[in-house]
Amino acid sequence: AQSVAQPEDQVNVAEGNPLTVKCTYSVSGNPYLFWYVQYPNRGLQFLLKYITGDNLVKGSYGFEAEFNKSQTSFHLKKPSALVSDSALYFCAVRDNTGGFKTIFGAGTRLFVKA
Amino acid sequence: ETGVTQTPRHLVMGMTNKKSLKCEQHLGHNAMYWYKQSAKKPLELMFVYSLEERVENNSVPSRFSPECPNSSHLFLHLHTLQPEDSALYLCASSQRYRTSTDTQYFGPGTRLTVL
Repeated sequence: AQSVAQPEDQVNVAEGNPLTVKCTYSVSGNPYLFWYVQYPNRGLQFLLKYITGDNLVKGSYGFEAEFNKSQTSFHLKKPSALVSDSALYFCAVRDNTGGFKTIFGAGTRLFVKA
Repeated sequence: ETGVTQTPRHLVMGMTNKKSLKCEQHLGHNAMYWYKQSAKKPLELMFVYSLEERVENNSVPSRFSPECPNSSHLFLHLHTLQPEDSALYLCASSQRYRTSTDTQYFGPGTRLTVL
């Protein structure tokens, strides 16, 4: 069965500092991994995805994520946080064994303090 | 977010009311989804339509009734809801359904409050 875990409910970081939002997953076959961001009173916005190839994936707004197969992780990172990055971040996973549902994590709230 | 629109953005209804949520996608996609987002819970997939055919129904109570008249429009008809149905209802679309690599694109959601 597929599953995804975001171990931190909340991450606090100072503006200008690097940020990391953690995600680990469990799938039967090859994982397809996604990150979404949700601003208040808005829907989810796609940030980036890993399908295959380079383990470092670059996405929107300066975000990137690193796929680590041995640790079954797909952490979201940004070198220098902005106050406007404060939002709710969701990791999601699908696999290629016929399970076409997207499984979303519970979300991590990021607070960036000025 | 302009690729997927949802109306209304906010809805307050009594338990005996009947209302409908509307979703429209302008992306030329073939699959559309309804999700429920409740506080402190993961996103719950409710229904999936692929080429106007319902392909997923995740044990959703019958007081929620989806309708997909064409590949661009998706409705969620609501009747005799309960207060615990209060949540943000999100619509999403993707190019295809049975393609694991496709990205889903979400609308802004309808904030539903059931009194």
